[in-house]
Amino acid sequence: NAGVTQTPKFQVLKTGQSMTLQCAQDMNHNSMYWYRQDPGMGLRLIYYSASEGTTDKGEVPNGYNVSRLNKREFSLRLESAAPSQTSVYFCASRGGPSNEKLFFGSGTQLSVL
Amino acid sequence: EDQVTQSPEALRLQEGESSSLNCSYTVSGLRGLFWYRQDPGKGPEFLFTLYSAGEEKEKERLKATLTKKESFLHITAPKPEDSATYLCAVQASGGATNKLIFGTGTLLAVQP
Repeated sequence: NAGVTQTPKFQVLKTGQSMTLQCAQDMNHNSMYWYRQDPGMGLRLIYYSASEGTTDKGEVPNGYNVSRLNKREFSLRLESAAPSQTSVYFCASRGGPSNEKLFFGSGTQLSVL
Repeated sequence: EDQVTQSPEALRLQEGESSSLNCSYTVSGLRGLFWYRQDPGKGPEFLFTLYSAGEEKEKERLKATLTKKESFLHITAPKPEDSATYLCAVQASGGATNKLIFGTGTLLAVQP
């Protein structure tokens, strides 16, 4: 059981480049989330999807777009990367009998130069 | 404004030296308080959920308690493998049900 899988693990971009972070879960969870984690700050919610076909903004959505491709997959896109988007990005999911728990992926470390 | 504050930022213990981590919160109405463990280079891993003041939960050397203003994570006779960052998060009852507010974490180092 893989849980939540994120790709890539590491990425370096130049300012203005675009990229998509991929996330997939195999737990049949309804809800999926994208967080960013920066030193000295708590995990901050970028976007979430409460169910397939719906997405909503979190605390820090500017500069990002998301797609809930199907129940398993939730991608995060940076259209024009900026140095302020240098961070560690985590995908998470929640649902099923353990609805209270968030299950996190292992993260993507992104550097924007 | 809903807020979560964790202290200390970092804690160094000797193996077997018990201690507590603190999570203070300000929220309009508490739906749940969560503790997570995060190892370097990995995503947070769920430990506990607490729902009401007076509630306690235990797992091996860890015990989480909750009052109306704060939560404590007590670590009894810690081992080096307990070294990690411990994150606290709260879910407010009045806000979006999917929104958790995270603290900045306590970095725990247990030396043999």
